[in-house]
Order: sequence, then structure tokens, then C-alpha cells
Amino acid sequence: AQSVTQPDIHITVSEGASLELRCNYSYGATPYLFWYVQSPGQGLQLLLKYFSGDTLVQGIKGFEAEFKRSQSSFNLRKPSVHWSDAAEYFCAVGAYGNKLVFGAGTILRVKS
Amino acid sequence: GAVVSQHPSRVICKSGTSVKIECRSLDFQATTMFWYRQFPKQSLMLMATSNEGSKATYEQGVEKDKFLINHASLTLSTLTVTSAHPEDSSFYICSATGVRGRRDTEAFFGQGTRLTVV
Repeated sequence: AQSVTQPDIHITVSEGASLELRCNYSYGATPYLFWYVQSPGQGLQLLLKYFSGDTLVQGIKGFEAEFKRSQSSFNLRKPSVHWSDAAEYFCAVGAYGNKLVFGAGTILRVKS
Repeated sequence: GAVVSQHPSRVICKSGTSVKIECRSLDFQATTMFWYRQFPKQSLMLMATSNEGSKATYEQGVEKDKFLINHASLTLSTLTVTSAHPEDSSFYICSATGVRGRRDTEAFFGQGTRLTVV
């Protein structure tokens, strides 16, 4: 069965520092991977997605993610974090029937 | 990206009453809509998938008679929480896609509805 693991529940980084959020997936076929961001009390906004091709994917707000098949990972990165990046981040894998299977989420806190 | 509007954003209801939540795709035809439930500090759990004109497909453990889903048009799906109880209090989020059955398509999310049952 498909699953997504985000091992870090909370991460705190200083403003201006680099960020990496981890995501590991389990899926029997070619994975279609997504990263979403959720601000408190809001819906989800798509940051980026990987379907095929270049394994380094660029997204909105300066985020990027790298797909590593050998490690079953799709980690999200940003070179310099801004205070407005504080939110919860969800990694997801696209399953049959357009379903999304989400990880547990990682809450990002940004120190000024 | 495409716009999905969810209404209301917040609702408080009395125990035993029913609440309807609407999810509308504003600028595309949503052949498939999904309803998720999110408990505090937890991830999103898929409740059901609805294809326009068909009965919704519920995930295991989700009570069909309690969470009624209607997807009568290509732009509107509704979730009705019937005979709501305090344990139904949660954040409900819908998403919509214009392509049925494919994994490599983006789903667009509504803003979510915070339901509080008192």
C-alpha cells in the first residue's frame, strides 16, 4: 500500500537559513509526488510536483525538491527561509483514481 | 492555478443538527472531487471520492449515512454532516480535479471548513 513518511513533526530554522524538509514514500509504481503548504486554518497550496523528467523540480516561493528513486525520497529545500514561510508542509503521493496520500506534515517555525 | 471555493469557512452547529458544506470549482469543470478531514495537528485523511453523476466512493471506516456527498454538477459537490455530534468537529477540506482517474494531475484545494459541534 502506498504511504508517505515525513519524519520531522516540527522544524525550527532561523530566518535566512537554509531549509530541508524530508519526505519518504512507498509506492509500487512510478510515484507522482507533491508538496503542499498549509497556513493555519487554510486550505492547501501546491508548491511543486514531480511527474517525470528532471529529478530536481522548481516550485513557487523559491522552493525546490529533488526526487531520488534509490532512496524513495522527495525532500523539499529552500536556500533562504523567510518568516512568511512558517506554515505546515505536506508531502503527498498521487495514487490511483486521483487520490492523494499525505504524510503527517511538518510544522515549520522561523526564528527572527 | 484553478480556483476551488469552499463555503462556509466556519460553522458552529448544535448537536443533532445537520450541516451542509459546499465545494465549487469556479473556473474549470471538476469531474472528480475529494473530501478530506483533518484533525488538529494531524494530516489530511481522505473521506470519499465523488465523480460527477455517480455515487461517492467512501474510504474504509467512513460512515456513508453520516457524511452524505452529492456531486450533481461539474462545478459543485456538497458534504452534509447529518445528526452532527461533537466528535464530528473537525476541519473539512475539499479538492477537485478536472481529469478522472489519473495520478498525474493536480488537484486544487478549497479553503477548508472549520466545523464545531456544540
